[in-house]
Amino acid sequence: SQELEQSPQSLIVQEGKNLTINCTSSKTLYGLYWYKQKYGEGLIFLMMLQKGGEEKSHEKITAKLDEKKQQSSLHITASQPSHAGIYLCGADAGGKLIFGQGTELSVKP
Amino acid sequence: ETGVTQTPRHLVMGMTNKKSLKCEQHLGHNAMYWYKQSAKKPLELMFVYNFKEQTENNSVPSRFSPECPNSSHLFLHLHTLQPEDSALYLCASSQDDGGAYNEQFFGPGTRLTVL
Repeated sequence: SQELEQSPQSLIVQEGKNLTINCTSSKTLYGLYWYKQKYGEGLIFLMMLQKGGEEKSHEKITAKLDEKKQQSSLHITASQPSHAGIYLCGADAGGKLIFGQGTELSVKP
Repeated sequence: ETGVTQTPRHLVMGMTNKKSLKCEQHLGHNAMYWYKQSAKKPLELMFVYNFKEQTENNSVPSRFSPECPNSSHLFLHLHTLQPEDSALYLCASSQDDGGAYNEQFFGPGTRLTVL
């Protein structure tokens, strides 16, 4: 069965710093989603990537799907306290969505 | 109300209780989902309904019983739960259950504690 591994599991950064979260799949990715979750709440859709090499940006968050379509990275530029939360990647695995275990981001003012 | 709503937001129940979680979506979607999120574990898909019909049961114990009376409402009936069932239960909806290219919208979740 397909699995998604996220790294790092947790991250503490100083406000203003850049950071990258990775999501690696055990199989080829067909549609990779990034979500953000505040503790104990639902998931907020950030963006979706479909094609190898595709890159999307929303405000200060950029996500990319690598050419071989087995890894995606999420990059945050000039982090702010509002970026704090849990970031999850999700992917289609035989018609159902599977998720990585999440990366918990803390941003220190 | 817009989006996906869930009630209650928090629930504490004993192992012999019977309770129900409710999910409602106001997006005109046809597919609805129940997920379980336990601490430090990936989100786990439990059930999928598409046009009121169950299309996925991810080997969920029978103490969890879903009900989908129409495309806008989804229930999760709980009975004789175990403490390890304590988790955040998330509901989601999408246009249909077409998999990879079908963005899912999530509700805020119900935090369940089983004593």
